[in-house]
Amino acid sequence: NAGVTQTPKFQVLKTGQSMTLQCAQDMNHNSMYWYRQDPGMGLRLIYYSASEGTTDKGEVPNGYNVSRLNKREFSLRLESAAPSQTSVYFCASSEVTDSNQPQHFGDGTRLSIL
Amino acid sequence: QQQVKQSPQSLIVQKGGIPIINCAYENTAFDYFPWYQQFPGKGPALLIAIRPDVSEKKEGRFTISFNKSAKQFSLHIMDSQPGDSATYFCAPNAGNMLTFGGGTRLMVKP
Repeated sequence: NAGVTQTPKFQVLKTGQSMTLQCAQDMNHNSMYWYRQDPGMGLRLIYYSASEGTTDKGEVPNGYNVSRLNKREFSLRLESAAPSQTSVYFCASSEVTDSNQPQHFGDGTRLSIL
Repeated sequence: QQQVKQSPQSLIVQKGGIPIINCAYENTAFDYFPWYQQFPGKGPALLIAIRPDVSEKKEGRFTISFNKSAKQFSLHIMDSQPGDSATYFCAPNAGNMLTFGGGTRLMVKP
């Protein structure tokens, strides 16, 4: 029972490098989300996908792009990494984007940009 | 713009104590009020949630109290255990767009 799987778990990049964070869910959920978590600030929404084929910006989308590859997979891309993007990134999924639907989170990708 | 303010930032209680974590929000469009629990190295997990037409909800040792007029809700943990040591986040939302508070790091001493 994997739930939400994120790869890689850890990554170190140099400023200006690009990288794609992968996320897959096996719960047949329609909606998927990407968050970043910084100390003392809780989680902030970067992008979300309400359903396969759609993506929308969240609170902090600058510097990121996303792709909803299929119903299971939602990737996050950093085209030119900056030190300010050092963070822990979480992917989540829910059945639909209704308020009462719990979001299920992966265990995160810890990204450091030097 | 801080829509959600959570307090305290950290909390230490003895086993059996009743820690209380508070969350204040500004956005009146929020229509669902969950608390998430996060252990080190893991993602957050839904702990308990309440709708705005209810003032209190209990699930096991966890209780949410909700005050719509004050735009506040709180989490109470009865008979707290060392296994409850974690970071807790309020995350009020509308349309499943969660707005997380800054988190409360709880330590329950044996």
